[in-house]
Amino acid sequence: AQTVTQSQPEMSVQEAETVTLSCTYDTSESDYYLFWYKQPPSRQMILVIRQEAYKQQNATENRFSVNFQKAAKSFSLKISDSQLGDAAMYFCAYRYDYGGSQGNLIFGKGTKLSVKP
Amino acid sequence: EPEVTQTPSHQVTQMGQEVILRCVPISNHLYFYWYRQILGQKVEFLVSFYNNEISEKSEIFDDQFSVERPDGSNFTLKIRSTKLEDSAMYFCASSEWRADNSPLHFGNGTRLTVT
Repeated sequence: AQTVTQSQPEMSVQEAETVTLSCTYDTSESDYYLFWYKQPPSRQMILVIRQEAYKQQNATENRFSVNFQKAAKSFSLKISDSQLGDAAMYFCAYRYDYGGSQGNLIFGKGTKLSVKP
Repeated sequence: EPEVTQTPSHQVTQMGQEVILRCVPISNHLYFYWYRQILGQKVEFLVSFYNNEISEKSEIFDDQFSVERPDGSNFTLKIRSTKLEDSAMYFCASSEWRADNSPLHFGNGTRLTVT
């Protein structure tokens, strides 16, 4: 069974600094997608960044980037120039695809990120 | 930017009562989902829905749960006889079907409290 593990329940970063959130996953599939979702106090789950497993290049979205290590099954999120608005719960998620159908998202337990002014 | 909207934001119900959670997915999306998050725990998949039928469901989604798309815009989750352990945040999501990566767009969630 596929699993997603986030080993850091809480992280803290100084404003303007860089922080890396860890995520590992377990799967026997070769085609899948990985995601980072942000859940601020407003509760809405917001997609931060996604990575296709077949792509070797790490995804980047402005201040957010990932370090995708397929062989190690590792998918960490780096937030550069941290801002107060980045404070939230961050969830790593995995989704497999089979036969063109939509597989469900499997989430990690989340990492609560605090940003200190 | 189009959003997934959920109503109500907070629902309180007594154990044994039926509750319906409502969602309006993004209009051109074809796949719909319900997830739940018990306080302090991970987000868990409940069910996915496509072409007016359930395409996948988890073991959590037992006979107490049902989903429906009663018209062209709403997508509902019904819990027939609520239990205390059904207390959770329920998230609706939708995605635009494509053969490639198709991210899920989540709503703000409905906090269900069963007393």
